[in-house]
Parts: sequence; structure tokens; C-alpha cells
Amino acid sequence: DAKTTQPNSMESNEEEPVHLPCNHSTISGTDYIHWYRQLPSQGPEYVIHGLTSNVNNRMASLAIAEDRKSSTLILHRATLRDAAVYYCILITGFQKLVFGTGTRLLVSP
Amino acid sequence: EAGVTQFPSHSVIEKGQTVTLRCDPISGHDNLYWYRRVMGKEIKFLLHFVKESKQDESGMPNNRFLAERTGGTYSTLKVQPAELEDSGVYFCASSDWSGGAADTQYFGPGTRLTVL
Repeated sequence: DAKTTQPNSMESNEEEPVHLPCNHSTISGTDYIHWYRQLPSQGPEYVIHGLTSNVNNRMASLAIAEDRKSSTLILHRATLRDAAVYYCILITGFQKLVFGTGTRLLVSP
Repeated sequence: EAGVTQFPSHSVIEKGQTVTLRCDPISGHDNLYWYRRVMGKEIKFLLHFVKESKQDESGMPNNRFLAERTGGTYSTLKVQPAELEDSGVYFCASSDWSGGAADTQYFGPGTRLTVL
């Protein structure tokens, strides 16, 4: 399983943008970059995914480096509800998700 | 549309007893996954069904765990006999992936299992 590296924790203030980095230097050509998050006392929740190009959806944006060895999840305006653990995961096709320790995002009012 | 549901939400049992967890995937989703998080550890994959067939059961910890998905709809995960180290949160996820772009899995709220 291709591995990813994320910071253990990050902090943000409400209403500010948040950039969550992920390194995946051993990514293969067929790996998609997925982000999931887990809010307190809930199951993991899909956020966004991409292959090569930057992606936007209603929840977030995903910026992918040109060499695909790193990516950044961008929350444009953090809210208290965005406080969660964010996981960057590489998968190809239908596979088990391999969760690392993720990044715990703390959002202050 | 209803999401993935899991029952029960909590279960407290004695060591040596049997517990059965149930997962109802999103209607029409052929792929069903079980994961668990034991205390202080990362979320780990247990197994993957495609319809009623086990596609990948590489994460099942031992033969005390039995998963079934009769008819390709809901799934059950039985732990018999339960041990203390089985305590944790068990998550179920489903997807409708059938080829092409990578899978997106939808998770249930989890079942918290406590073995005393």
C-alpha cells in the first residue's frame, strides 16, 4: 500500500482558510488521492479526490503537485464543524482504505 | 436516500460471549466493507464483500470473526467468543464502484463494542 505522510495536528481560526498538506512520494501512476475526515463520534466521511488536476467541490479544494508527490486539501473558510481528523489516502480502483494517523484539525472561534 | 446504518450503536458484553453486528449498506451498493478502530490505534480494514462474495478478507484478525452477507444486501459480523482486545468501534462502509475512477466509500456511524 502506498504510504502518505501528514502532520499530526494543525490549528486554525474560524473563517480562515486552512491548508492541510500530504506527502506521497511513492505514489504510482494509477493511484487516486482521496481525502476523508472523521468528525468526533462519527464514521469517516468522504471529502474529495483527484488524480492529476486540481479539484473543487462544495466541501473543499484539492491541489495536486505537478509531480503528484504531494497534495494539499484546502478548506476555504474553516468552521467549528470542520474540526476533525483528516486522512489522505491513496487508492486504485476498489480497494480497502488504509488509514494512517491523519491530521487533527483544531478550529478556534 | 438513507445512508449506511449499523446496529447496535453500542454493545457491552462479557468476555467469552458472542456478539453480532449488523450493517445495512446504501441501497444498490454492491461493495460492502468492514473496518475497526481498537483503542488508541488507527482504523484498520477487516474485509470487503462484492455482493455476497468475499473479495478480500485479509484484515480479519482470526477465526473468532465471521462475516456474512447473504443475498448481497445487509451484512453481519459475528465475534465468537469475544476477547478483551476486540473492544473498539466497528465501521461499515459501502460503495457502488463498478470500474473506472477510484471508489468512494460511504461510512456508517459505527458500533462501539466493549468487552468486559
